[in-house]
Amino acid sequence: EPEVTQTPSHQVTQMGQEVILRCVPISNHLYFYWYRQILGQKVEFLVSFYNNEISEKSEIFDDQFSVERPDGSNFTLKIRSTKLEDSAMYFCASSALTSTSGAKNIQYFGAGTRLSVL
Amino acid sequence: RKEVEQDPGPFNVPEGATVAFNCTYSNSASQSFFWYRQDCRKEPKLLMSVYSSGNEDGRFTAQLNRASQYISLLIRDSKLSDSATYLCVVKTSNTGKLIFGQGTTLQVKP
Repeated sequence: EPEVTQTPSHQVTQMGQEVILRCVPISNHLYFYWYRQILGQKVEFLVSFYNNEISEKSEIFDDQFSVERPDGSNFTLKIRSTKLEDSAMYFCASSALTSTSGAKNIQYFGAGTRLSVL
Repeated sequence: RKEVEQDPGPFNVPEGATVAFNCTYSNSASQSFFWYRQDCRKEPKLLMSVYSSGNEDGRFTAQLNRASQYISLLIRDSKLSDSATYLCVVKTSNTGKLIFGQGTTLQVKP
């Protein structure tokens, strides 16, 4: 079964450093997303991406965050200057479509990258 | 009011029990509804989509009441392997943004 893959599984960084989280979405999917989950809290939407553009972003996704699809397979989330409160599990997801109901509407999640900011 | 609200539980039930989870959502324009399952420190995995007509998948039944903005999940004949957190998820926009509830924790005991 196709799956979304994320690397690394765990990233430890110092406050103020830049990190890049990497994702390989399912190959025939067109819509890509990043979510985060702080320990003990709910999953929160960060950003959606389609056709090389951000289609929606949340208040969390400030100027410190950026996303990129550098090639035909990877989708990355960059945090320019990490803060302690950026420590969380970051999930990448992808879907074939968004505007219809049914199987192509479903978002599939990667196993996540645990980011620890010290 | 929270966008998606769930009772966090935990629900502790014996094997074989029937358990029901409820969820309410605040945006009447919400388009799609899902139940995801999340095991400890793992990614959310789709359990089932939820349709207005109600739908069933084996031991799992989901119901949607658009007028009341209410979603439910019924699990029959609980198994130990059903122990997890169940996430009520709503899609409101065409950009695909998913809004998650806090989750309801289920612990099935022998």
